[in-house]
Amino acid sequence: ETVVSQSPDTLPLSPGERATLSCRTSQSVSSRSLAWYQQKPGQAPRLLIYAASKRATGVPARFSGSGSGTDFTLTISSLEPEDFAVYYCQHHETFGLGTKVEI
Amino acid sequence: EVQLLESGGTLVQPGGSLRLSCTASGFTFSNYAMNWVRQAPGKEPEWVAAVSPTANSIFYTDAVKGRFTISRDNSNNTLFLEMSSLRVEDTAIYYCAKASLGTTQPYEDWGRGTLVTVSS
Repeated sequence: ETVVSQSPDTLPLSPGERATLSCRTSQSVSSRSLAWYQQKPGQAPRLLIYAASKRATGVPARFSGSGSGTDFTLTISSLEPEDFAVYYCQHHETFGLGTKVEI
Repeated sequence: EVQLLESGGTLVQPGGSLRLSCTASGFTFSNYAMNWVRQAPGKEPEWVAAVSPTANSIFYTDAVKGRFTISRDNSNNTLFLEMSSLRVEDTAIYYCAKASLGTTQPYEDWGRGTLVTVSS
C-alpha cells in the first residue's frame, strides 16, 4: 500500500502570504490519482484539486497543484482569511494526515 | 445543485448494529459510484466503502470487511451502510461522498455527515 505523507504539520502564515504545502507518496504514482481537499472546522472536506493540477469546479485561481512521481505540491498564491484550514492530500483511497494552515 | 443528506447516526453500544442512509439529489444518482468516508475526531478522513453505479462492484477497507455492508437503491436515490459488530474505534462522523463520473475517486461532493458514537 502506498503511504501518503504531508509536510509541514502546521504552517503559520499571514493573509496575503504564499502557502506551499507538500505531499509525498512512498512510491511513484500516477498524477491522475492525486487530489487535494480543504476542510474547515465543523464542515466536510471540499475537493480543491484533482489529477494533481486540475482545479475543481468553483475553486479560486489562487489555488494550484503541481508535481509528479512521488512529490506533489499545493500552492495558495496569496492567502485569503477564508483559506485558513486543514488541507489533505489523497492518493486513491488513502489520505495524508493533513497540513493545518493557521494565522 | 448536488445535495447529499446522511442520517441514522446515534450512540450505540459496542457489538451493536446501525444503518446509515444517504439521500441524494441534484444529479443522476444511478450514473455515479458512491462512497462512505469516515473521520474520527481530530483525525484524517478514512475511506470505508465504495459501490459502483449498478452495485456490481463493491469495495471495503480491511477494518470493516465482514462487519459493514454498503448498498444502494437507485430508484430512490439512496445509499446505505449497514454496520454490525460495532467497535469503539468505529466512532466517527460518517460522510456520504459522490465520486467523479466514471471513477471511484476523487470525492467531488460530500454530505454534511452523521455522527456515530460507539460507547458503553
